[in-house]
Amino acid sequence: GESVGLHLPTLSVQEGDNSIINCAYSNSASDYFIWYKQESGKGPQFIIDIRSNMDKRQGQRVTVLLNKTVKHLSLQIAATQPGDSAVYFCAEWFSSASKIIFGSGTRLSIRP
Amino acid sequence: GAVVSQHPSRVICKSGTSVKIECRSLDFQATTMFWYRQFPKQSLMLMATSNEGSKATYEQGVEKDKFLINHASLTLSTLTVTSAHPEDSSFYICSAAPRQRGSNEQFFGPGTRLTVL
Repeated sequence: GESVGLHLPTLSVQEGDNSIINCAYSNSASDYFIWYKQESGKGPQFIIDIRSNMDKRQGQRVTVLLNKTVKHLSLQIAATQPGDSAVYFCAEWFSSASKIIFGSGTRLSIRP
Repeated sequence: GAVVSQHPSRVICKSGTSVKIECRSLDFQATTMFWYRQFPKQSLMLMATSNEGSKATYEQGVEKDKFLINHASLTLSTLTVTSAHPEDSSFYICSAAPRQRGSNEQFFGPGTRLTVL
């Protein structure tokens, strides 16, 4: 069945360092992979997405890498700031069903 | 732009009562809205897809008679948790897909915290 999961449930990073959050997926039928940020008590916030036929996409301070060979997705955050503290979810979008399936989430905490 | 609101943001009810949660797209029309449930320290689980003017499509394992969804207009979808029990306590989140865009864009609401006593 559809499954999107993460390697690490928590990640602690020194402020100013780069963060790398990883995600493994099992379903190859998705059209897009998406990263969301969720702060405590709030809904998910879109960060960046990548089409399934791409392997890299950059945004402002964030980069998403997609390795379809090993079914692995990562989110890199440059110069991590206190405001980056949140839970990060990877997700897949299936155009055939027009729905998004979420992964299990990684909590990112920032050390001062 | 692309703001989605939910009401109420927090609700506490007694076991056996029904609770209605509203999801509104404030500045765009949404042909499709989605309802998710999120238990503490867990991911969002899609419950159902709500299409304006038609019946909702429920995910496997989600009871359609317990979680009633109505999408009567392009800006409003409601989720009613009928005969709520403590195990229904959760964070309910909706999202809306804009009508004009044929992409994966979905905009999420702030969530509704339901506590059933």
